[in-house]
Amino acid sequence: EAAVTQSPRNKVAVTGGKVTLSCNQTNNHNNMYWYRQDTGHGLRLIHYSYGAGSTEKGDIPDGYKASRPSQENFSLILELATPSQTSVYFCASGDAGGFTEVFFGKGTRLTVV
Amino acid sequence: AQSVTQPDARVTVSEGASLQLRCKYSYSATPYLFWYVQYPRQGLQLLLKYYSGDPVVQGVNSFEAEFSKSNSSFHLQKASVHWSDSAVYFCALSMSAGNKLTFGIGTRVLVRP
Repeated sequence: EAAVTQSPRNKVAVTGGKVTLSCNQTNNHNNMYWYRQDTGHGLRLIHYSYGAGSTEKGDIPDGYKASRPSQENFSLILELATPSQTSVYFCASGDAGGFTEVFFGKGTRLTVV
Repeated sequence: AQSVTQPDARVTVSEGASLQLRCKYSYSATPYLFWYVQYPRQGLQLLLKYYSGDPVVQGVNSFEAEFSKSNSSFHLQKASVHWSDSAVYFCALSMSAGNKLTFGIGTRVLVRP
């Protein structure tokens, strides 16, 4: 069974602080993604990666950085957290080629106060 | 740019009744299409996917979806719902195999006993 694990599952951060959300996948997938979920918007793509060492901007990258140090790990970094970044964040992984499924983690609920 | 529209934010149905969730997409070519389900405090799970062939595709848990190129639609259906089908359902598209999903806002389904 494909597995994507996110940590932490819940996080409260202060405005202006640095936040790092971590994601680990055991699927040996090349592609990994970070989405945020907000009511009325569905899931929106923040950053993605095609493999270790690569990161690409998604549709809403402003205020976020990403890091892919290895095949298994993909982090989302908020250097200066703001209340507008309060959301639920999902990490996902998928194969690079073919018509395949994307597997999602259970999400991280981030509150910036 | 591609987009996905789910016109119904909430749907309430009685247990045993049929369910149809609407999805319309905007994309210049034929996209890869998906339906995902999100149970409370969980990540997204794939219900079914479509790219070509028979326009009616079967998925897990007796869900099926029908693709219509002329209507740019990919509606999800289930003949008889169970209380456990209460969840949020997302329609999504990808422009290429195995990559970068664009989501609709989701439809929250409540199944009444």
